[in-house]
Amino acid sequence: GAVVSQHPSRVICKSGTSVKIECRSLDFQATTMFWYRQFPKKSLMLMATSNEGSKATYEQGVEKDKFLINHASLTLSTLTVTSAHPEDSSFYICSARPGAGGRAEAFFGQGTRLTVV
Amino acid sequence: TQLLEQSPQFLSIQEGENLTVYCNSSSVFSSLQWYRQEPGEGPVLLVTVVTGGEVKKLKRLTFQFGDARKDSSLHITAAQPGDTGLYLCAGGGGGSQGNLIFGKGTKLSVKP
Repeated sequence: GAVVSQHPSRVICKSGTSVKIECRSLDFQATTMFWYRQFPKKSLMLMATSNEGSKATYEQGVEKDKFLINHASLTLSTLTVTSAHPEDSSFYICSARPGAGGRAEAFFGQGTRLTVV
Repeated sequence: TQLLEQSPQFLSIQEGENLTVYCNSSSVFSSLQWYRQEPGEGPVLLVTVVTGGEVKKLKRLTFQFGDARKDSSLHITAAQPGDTGLYLCAGGGGGSQGNLIFGKGTKLSVKP
């Protein structure tokens, strides 16, 4: 299957600082990538859709000024958590779909465990 | 709005038992995927079903797509402790954004 690499896998930061998470598609181009947040023992919650060359589309309730998304190239999307607070601590996961339309599977990064202290 | 209802949410069984996880919707999906996720890792794709009535097997796992492409099931035969994890179904509606709709997941624990 296609490979999506996410970095870092774990990060601890102080309140008020910003953290950048990278998501790369290693063997395919992805015009669209997706960012999810996952709470313990819960399913994935879509935060935003990252579009190469244009602004991200955010889900209702997700602050776009707090969770900055940049899709710099066809293989890289970044999520920056700005002015992080302890309540931002969570597991963040990105995904990308190599194909088009509804038949294409999504492949996920390894996830990033963010802890804000 | 497309929704996927997944059940049960939690399942704790003994090694060797069989189990079935269900994924239901009132909407038609062009495809459904099943993922397995272990703690601290991203979901890993198990299978994609596309055709109504389709059955796919992956060792002890059997996946079925409903005839109307609104539901799917995952059956595990003779469960092993290594099957423990969070199982997620996801549907692709074919929208322009291409995002998947996820069920809430089934947390499976297989005790030795």
